[in-house]
Amino acid sequence: DTAVSQTPKYLVTQMGNDKSIKCEQNLGHDTMYWYKQDSKKFLKIMFSYNNKELIINETVPNRFSPKSPDKAHLNLHINSLELGDSAVYFCASSQQTNTEAFFGQGTRLTVV
Amino acid sequence: GENVEQHPSTLSVQEGDSAVIKCTYSDSASNYFPWYKQELGKGPQLIIDIRSNVGEKKDQRIAVTLNKTAKHFSLHITETQPEDSAVYFCAGGNTDKLIFGTGTRLQVFP
Repeated sequence: DTAVSQTPKYLVTQMGNDKSIKCEQNLGHDTMYWYKQDSKKFLKIMFSYNNKELIINETVPNRFSPKSPDKAHLNLHINSLELGDSAVYFCASSQQTNTEAFFGQGTRLTVV
Repeated sequence: GENVEQHPSTLSVQEGDSAVIKCTYSDSASNYFPWYKQELGKGPQLIIDIRSNVGEKKDQRIAVTLNKTAKHFSLHITETQPEDSAVYFCAGGNTDKLIFGTGTRLQVFP
């Protein structure tokens, strides 16, 4: 069974469109995250949720809106996509911030 | 703000040699230091971690050392194998957040 699963794996879309990436974890973890990995492989945290509540919002444009319907899901919605949004987005979960984080396989977003 | 620096950005070694990756952190409140391995097309995966109350930890060919006073920690891989080739990330943090280093691309040549 996949511990952290995110869909889709690949997403190609035009500038200006709105898209969503879904994430689910079956590990019973309290904390979930979204990370952005750019072409240089830099891994930057975007959001952190604990028990459905937003804990961290790291200066991400408000075009990005995370939504956590329950503890096991953290979806990422992006409005008005821009070329600079092209990256690999990783969902992750952990029991606490300072314990092992389990990452999904990533969603490669390409904005054309 | 909090920062984790990682060096080198790329590292090439011959199979069987050792590889060392170093990181420094700025937030003295950091108490948790994991290392992640990311293979091509996959998400990062934890390989070893260390907490601030421990100076060294070893797991088979992998070891991590932590110097709290100097705020730096290192990953040591001995007897490297081609399958060790990947991007390695250090991270430092506490109960508030985890900050990742910039990554090291390790290539092990047979």
